[in-house]
Amino acid sequence: GENVEQHPSTLSVQEGDSAVIKCTYSDSASNYFPWYKQELGKGPQLIIDIRSNVGEKKDQRIAVTLNKTAKHFSLHITETQPEDSAVYFCAPSGGGADGLTFGKGTHLIIQP
Amino acid sequence: DAMVIQNPRYQVTQFGKPVTLSCSQTLNHNVMYWYQQKSSQAPKLLFHYYDKDFNNEADTPDNFQSRRPNTSFCFLDIRSPGLGDAAMYLCATSRDGLAGAIEQYFGPGTRLTVT
Repeated sequence: GENVEQHPSTLSVQEGDSAVIKCTYSDSASNYFPWYKQELGKGPQLIIDIRSNVGEKKDQRIAVTLNKTAKHFSLHITETQPEDSAVYFCAPSGGGADGLTFGKGTHLIIQP
Repeated sequence: DAMVIQNPRYQVTQFGKPVTLSCSQTLNHNVMYWYQQKSSQAPKLLFHYYDKDFNNEADTPDNFQSRRPNTSFCFLDIRSPGLGDAAMYLCATSRDGLAGAIEQYFGPGTRLTVT
């Protein structure tokens, strides 16, 4: 099965600064790389994803980069805002309808 | 709005007393999942239904069962809850497509307390 490692476990940044979270995976067959955001008391919500035929994807302040050779992908958040405070999970998968194997999560704290 | 609904949001049960959590969806997705999320941990997949086909994870205890009577509803039954089963239970749905993995939509979860 997929072995997923996510770093750091906690990240505190000043409002307006950038945040980067890294996810490393083991299964070379993985071809789908999503990032989920979970706010307190809510279920996870997909914020951005990338497939293995693309190296980078951007959506406003959020971007994901993929290095398939090294088996890692990263979430980049620029111009952080208080509402970005949450726990972020990566969940690399082989596609299809199988359930997700999540990383352990990163608690992102935006300091005012 | 199309969504994933979980009831109840909070459930308290006694040690050993069977409990059922419910999930419904208006997305008409063919795949439904149940995850267990303990405090400060990542969600962990228990099982999923692909249409009517049940897929159990190898390490899901027998104490956990599931039913999916139709496309819209899915239930999680815990036959004899132990203190270690206290957690948030998340239901999710997805639409499996020819393009491969599709986004999973999560409900707000049911927080289970075992006394």
